[in-house]
Amino acid sequence: GQQLNQSPQSMFIQEGEDVSMNCTSSSIFNTWLWYKQDPGEGPVLLIALYKAGELTSNGRLTAQFGITRKDSFLNISASIPSDVGIYFCAGRDTGNQFYFGTGTSLTVIP
Amino acid sequence: KAGVTQTPRYLIKTRGQQVTLSCSPISGHRSVSWYQQTPGQGLQFLFEYFSETQRNKGNFPGRFSGRQFSNSRSEMNVSTLELGDSALYLCASAFSGRAQYFGPGTRLTVT
Repeated sequence: GQQLNQSPQSMFIQEGEDVSMNCTSSSIFNTWLWYKQDPGEGPVLLIALYKAGELTSNGRLTAQFGITRKDSFLNISASIPSDVGIYFCAGRDTGNQFYFGTGTSLTVIP
Repeated sequence: KAGVTQTPRYLIKTRGQQVTLSCSPISGHRSVSWYQQTPGQGLQFLFEYFSETQRNKGNFPGRFSGRQFSNSRSEMNVSTLELGDSALYLCASAFSGRAQYFGPGTRLTVT
């Protein structure tokens, strides 16, 4: 099935730095979601976006639904060690099916 | 409100056997989707059920099947297991048109 183009694939940053990652699609989506997954566990929903242009924050996390409805980004400010994990984007198309990005692996160096 | 639960958490099966995985969605969620996650292929969509009907289906062989009960609980069955079926199987539930919430997954190992 379709997969979203998520970048970067991996990031190594110093504690306290800001992080930015994004997802793009060739299709229009009605919903963009961002998840974090720890090893051996299921993805945990971080932020859900339902309208083009929508900007939503969850603590140090901020995500935006692109105006073209084909992209989204996630920012993490002032990273801390527990931010380590794999971050996935997901989009829901007009057929109500979800598609997932390939993930961004984040490593935070104390 | 309780989250999505999946049982069992871990399974070891032999090639050729079959397996049934169970998922209980968040109360009030009628949509249940199943995914296979492997290091090489990422998250792959298997199928989605809504009100006991399969609404969407991914590109998996017929050995993978599922069903949903009237209380929205869902089961996934894999018959004639192959080594390549070893994966983390994730269930996700959603309220109509809203975000999916994932369970902790079932780790299936086929030997």
